[in-house]
Formats: sequence, C-alpha cells, structure tokens
Amino acid sequence: AQSVTQPDIHITVSEGASLELRCNYSYGATPYLFWYVQSPGQGLQLLLKYFSGDTLVQGIKGFEAEFKRSQSSFNLRKPSVHWSDAAEYFCAVETSGNQFYFGTGTSLTVIP
Amino acid sequence: GAGVSQTPSNKVTEKGKYVELRCDPISGHTALYWYRQSLGQGPEFLIYFQGTGAADDSGLPNDRFFAVRPEGSVSTLKIQRTERGDSAVYLCASSLGSASYNEQFFGPGTRLTVL
Repeated sequence: AQSVTQPDIHITVSEGASLELRCNYSYGATPYLFWYVQSPGQGLQLLLKYFSGDTLVQGIKGFEAEFKRSQSSFNLRKPSVHWSDAAEYFCAVETSGNQFYFGTGTSLTVIP
Repeated sequence: GAGVSQTPSNKVTEKGKYVELRCDPISGHTALYWYRQSLGQGPEFLIYFQGTGAADDSGLPNDRFFAVRPEGSVSTLKIQRTERGDSAVYLCASSLGSASYNEQFFGPGTRLTVL
C-alpha cells in the first residue's frame, strides 16, 4: 500500500539557519513526489515536484528537494530559513491513478 | 485571477443533519478534487472529477458521502446523517487537467464541526 511518512512532527530552527524536512514514501512503482506548504488560513501551495530526471529539484521560495530512490526519501531543504517560512509542510506521493497520499505534516517554527 | 473558493468557510451542524459544501474551481480547470483533513493529519483523498464525471470516488468513506459537479465547474460535497467523526477541514483543489504535471490549486477549505 502507498504511504508517506514524515517522521518529524515539529521542528524549530533559528532564522538564517539551514533546514531539512524528512519524507519517506512507500510505493511500488516510480513515484511522483510533491512538497506542499500550508500557512494558517491559507490553502496548500505547491513548493516543488519530482517526476523523473534530475533527482535534485528546485522549487519556489528557495526550497529544493532531493529524490533518493535507494532510501525511498524525498527530503526538503532550504539553506537559510526566513521567519515567513513558518508553516506546516506536507510531503505527498501521487499514484498512477491520480490519487494523492499525503504525510501527516511537519510544523515549522522559526525563532528570531 | 481568482483562486479556488470554498463556501462556507465554517459550518457547525448537529449530529444526524445533512450538509452541503461548495467548491468553485479556477475557471477553465477541468479536474477537481476533494480532500478531508482531520486535526493533525495530512489531507486525505476523497474523490476527483474530470469534467462532470467522477473519475475516482474510491476515497469516499461510506455512502453518506456524495459529490456532484453537474456542469463541470462548481462542485458540491454532500454529507448525509453527519457524525461527530466527520468533523474536519474539507479541501477542494482544481487543475487544468488530471495529468500529473498539472498543478493542483487548493482552496482555503471548509471547517466542518459536527456537535
């Protein structure tokens, strides 16, 4: 069965520090992978996606993610976090049937 | 341009009642998705439409849940005989088509509380 695991429920980082949010997936075929951000009162916004090709993908707001097939991971990174990055982050996998499976999310707090 | 809108933003109802949640997708988007997000969880797929037809409704939890999209634009999610466990945020998303390369744009959600 398909599943997405985000092992970190909550992460706190200092502004300007680097960030890595972990995501592991379980899916039999080559997955389509996504990272979304959800700010309070806002809809989910797509940060980046991986379909194929280069395993390092760039997204909006300075985020990037690396697909590692051997580890079944798709971790999200940002070299320098801004206070406005505080939000909930969701990793998702899309199956061939156009169904999305989301992780439980990681809540990011940024301290000055 | 306008994004995906959902009404109402909040809905409080009593156990056993019927509710309708509305989604207005981005104009021209043929694919429309419904998700349910319970507290502390990620969105859970319910159903998606391609045009007027439900292409996949395998995520609907039981027959109390039903969704329509009669003209291929606005969609309504209908819940009969609501239960306290139905309390959640119901999210709608739309995209240009159902192909994976089409980004899904999400609405702000409807928070449903069943007392």
